[in-house]
Amino acid sequence: QAVLTQPPSVSGAPGQRVTISCTGSSSNLGSAYDVHWYQQLPGTAPKLLIYGNNNRPSGVPDRFSGSRYGTAASLAITGLQAEDEADYYCQSYDSSLGGWGIFGGGTKVTVL
Amino acid sequence: QVQLVQSGGEVKKPGASVRVSCKASGYQLTTYGITWVRQAPGQGLEWMGWISAYNGDTDYAQKLQGRVTMSTDTSTNTAYMELRSLRSDDTAVYYCARKIDSSGYGWYFDLWGRGTLVTVSS
Repeated sequence: QAVLTQPPSVSGAPGQRVTISCTGSSSNLGSAYDVHWYQQLPGTAPKLLIYGNNNRPSGVPDRFSGSRYGTAASLAITGLQAEDEADYYCQSYDSSLGGWGIFGGGTKVTVL
Repeated sequence: QVQLVQSGGEVKKPGASVRVSCKASGYQLTTYGITWVRQAPGQGLEWMGWISAYNGDTDYAQKLQGRVTMSTDTSTNTAYMELRSLRSDDTAVYYCARKIDSSGYGWYFDLWGRGTLVTVSS
């Protein structure tokens, strides 16, 4: 069971806004450790989408945004497009497990 | 072009070992760490560990301690991951990724290889 909890799936129609939550605890997100997000298109390697809670690498559209609050974080996709259909993973640090290699279980985004 | 190029797929029998390579191009391996992440079929991402090509420091996931070894060859700008005593549940796609260690944001992985499928089957 993943230390960071994500909903297994979310869906939305083209143009809509969807959000993906990433819920942790006092030993990770609750201790103000930053969260990062990855997008994995079908059959491809993960790609860095958001780093440091809300920063987009060059080339990532601004319809993707992130936030962190208390023991949780969220990724928002506004103006959902068909090409956004993918799996999304959050990643952070956990002090009880002693490292940054903590991933959420992943969320499948389906564009209706 | 900055990229990580991984070796091809492998099929191994239970109990065997596998070594996956990850060649960095467009940058010096010693500048950043390399992390390894695996993904079993239909499952999520599992962090395996990381290595510093600069000084050889490593840190492995607890569940893989004793079975995994990560190494680098700076002369060829290549990182390696060896997994021993393979079991069927080691069947997965193995990814290498460049580790950014930011004082402001912690660790994140900004460049990924395309993955290497390792199949463990008798």
